[in-house]
Amino acid sequence: GESVGLHLPTLSVQEGDNSIINCAYSNSASDYFIWYKQESGKGPQFIIDIRSNMDKRQGQRVTVLLNKTVKHLSLQIAATQPGDSAVYFCAENSGGGADGLTFGKGTHLIIQP
Amino acid sequence: GAVVSQHPSRVICKSGTSVKIECRSLDFQATTMFWYRQFPKQSLMLMATSNEGSKATYEQGVEKDKFLINHASLTLSTLTVTSAHPEDSSFYICSARDRPGQPTEFFGPGTRLTVL
Repeated sequence: GESVGLHLPTLSVQEGDNSIINCAYSNSASDYFIWYKQESGKGPQFIIDIRSNMDKRQGQRVTVLLNKTVKHLSLQIAATQPGDSAVYFCAENSGGGADGLTFGKGTHLIIQP
Repeated sequence: GAVVSQHPSRVICKSGTSVKIECRSLDFQATTMFWYRQFPKQSLMLMATSNEGSKATYEQGVEKDKFLINHASLTLSTLTVTSAHPEDSSFYICSARDRPGQPTEFFGPGTRLTVL
């Protein structure tokens, strides 16, 4: 079936550097995408979302880019901090709000001091 | 806003017993809630969609008689794992939408179930 996937299972960056987490999706009907941060033993925490009629959206220290042509989604985190260490998941929805989210595999972001 | 709680946070039970997990939306009404399970170092897998006042919709491969879902009010959904076995040990997470038709989901803190 169609799925959402991530290129890198683990990403290690130096504190203060920018990080980019990538996600590929295969469902061309997907019209909503969302990034979550999950710390160990906790539930996913909403970071930022984007609809398919946009290609970029910015939040506080985070930017999500959407390239519908190649079905690619990325999360950019600026000036990474130790508290950014976590697993990051992309998720997509194509049901117009009727269905639950389909999650990607996740990327473990490690911030090196 | 959009705070979701779960209870209990951890539960250990004996094989063959049933366990109930509660999911509550604390500051909003949720007509739709979702239940996911997550194994260690893996992603979240949707188990079922819980709609207030109607039967839950289960994903393929999820046994509805094994995982009973009740969504009796706009702020509470429960998941009961019946006749639990060690392979049911997992991290169970619920989510809720704060606006009908809007796909954004807010997650609870999760419940760690260990079946001995």
